[in-house]
Amino acid sequence: AQTVTQSQPEMSVQEAETVTLSCTYDTSESDYYLFWYKQPPSRQMILVIRQEAYKQQNATENRFSVNFQKAAKSFSLKISDSQLGDAAMYFCAYRSANTGNQFYFGTGTSLTVIP
Amino acid sequence: DTAVSQTPKYLVTQMGNDKSIKCEQNLGHDTMYWYKQDSKKFLKIMFSYNNKELIINETVPNRFSPKSPDKAHLNLHINSLELGDSAVYFCASSQGWNTDTQYFGPGTRLTVL
Repeated sequence: AQTVTQSQPEMSVQEAETVTLSCTYDTSESDYYLFWYKQPPSRQMILVIRQEAYKQQNATENRFSVNFQKAAKSFSLKISDSQLGDAAMYFCAYRSANTGNQFYFGTGTSLTVIP
Repeated sequence: DTAVSQTPKYLVTQMGNDKSIKCEQNLGHDTMYWYKQDSKKFLKIMFSYNNKELIINETVPNRFSPKSPDKAHLNLHINSLELGDSAVYFCASSQGWNTDTQYFGPGTRLTVL
């Protein structure tokens, strides 16, 4: 099975600053998808951003962007101009494009935003 | 309108009881899932149904039985609840079997006493 590793259990950032959350994954496949999900205290899992492995261009969604390094199997999330509402657990996830629709999640990074 | 809904949001019960969690999606999706999130926040898939057919059944005790009466619903029934079943259970759905984006419900926090 594929594994997804988030090595930072907790991170903090000052409001309006930028923070980067790390994610690495292990796979032998060449075609897959990567995701970042946000889980606020309400517990709902909210899709933040997705990246197709075949695309070299890094995905961007407003203040959220990724640094996708396929050779290094790295997929970090950058949050710019951090807001109080960004405080949440962030999960990195992997899904194969060929062998089924099963998601593999990392253990999460708890992000605190300091006013 | 909530896209993926679960009931109840909280469930507190005694060991040995049988309980059900309901999930409904109004997105017209063909595929639905159940995930378990343990106390360490690790999220792991339990089951997946596509067009009411079971397609993923991870190593889960057979006390857990999913039921899909139609494409919009995937309920989770748990028999003989144990302390280790305490967790947050998430329902999710996606457009199809091979669709990458999954939409999650708000979760059900199950506490077994």
